[in-house]
Amino acid sequence: DAGVTQSPTHLIKTRGQQVTLRCSPISGHKSVSWYQQVLGQGPQFIFQYYEKEERGRGNFPDRFSARQFPNYSSELNVNALLLGDSALYLCASSLDPGGSYEQYFGPGTRLTVT
Amino acid sequence: QQQVKQSPQSLIVQKGGISIINCAYENTAFDYFPWYQQFPGKGPALLIAIRPDVSEKKEGRFTISFNKSAKQFSLHIMDSQPGDSATYFCAASMVGYQKVTFGIGTKLQVIP
Repeated sequence: DAGVTQSPTHLIKTRGQQVTLRCSPISGHKSVSWYQQVLGQGPQFIFQYYEKEERGRGNFPDRFSARQFPNYSSELNVNALLLGDSALYLCASSLDPGGSYEQYFGPGTRLTVT
Repeated sequence: QQQVKQSPQSLIVQKGGISIINCAYENTAFDYFPWYQQFPGKGPALLIAIRPDVSEKKEGRFTISFNKSAKQFSLHIMDSQPGDSATYFCAASMVGYQKVTFGIGTKLQVIP
């Protein structure tokens, strides 16, 4: 079975631009979470979605938004990009939001803001 | 607020030696403690996990020790191999929440 897939792999944007990152969960998984990993740090929780509804949000500004589609894939949007948004953005999927704790991470999207 | 503190941030171990990484948490509501392994250019991969009702869990060369009263847990890698060279993250989460709080990470290098 395919694991969590993310696209694109790498992305370079300019300050002030907007970006959309995409994630496809493992088949059968209904929960998707997004994390930001700055170089040299552990991943930081951004959002969790389950059955197209937001179930959790981390300490990120409103410039960050996300959504989940009927096929359980998800998009993360970041508006008005700042240099500090440069990071590896990770998507993780799991069977459900609470009953099973195992999250499986994708390879991430490396975003560079110049 | 750093809810999960991890040390050391870097570790060099000889092949065949024991690698030990320590973590401490503050929130007593945490009830699930996973360890993740991350290779360069890859996402974190779940390595082993423990719940607070167990003091130790072993899977192959990897062992988690858990001390609930001290709010500490550690990862031991026995017979460390060069292929174990990666960054290791301890983490914690709560019942009903999928948010995982990660430590800062430990970059392990196993030298031949």
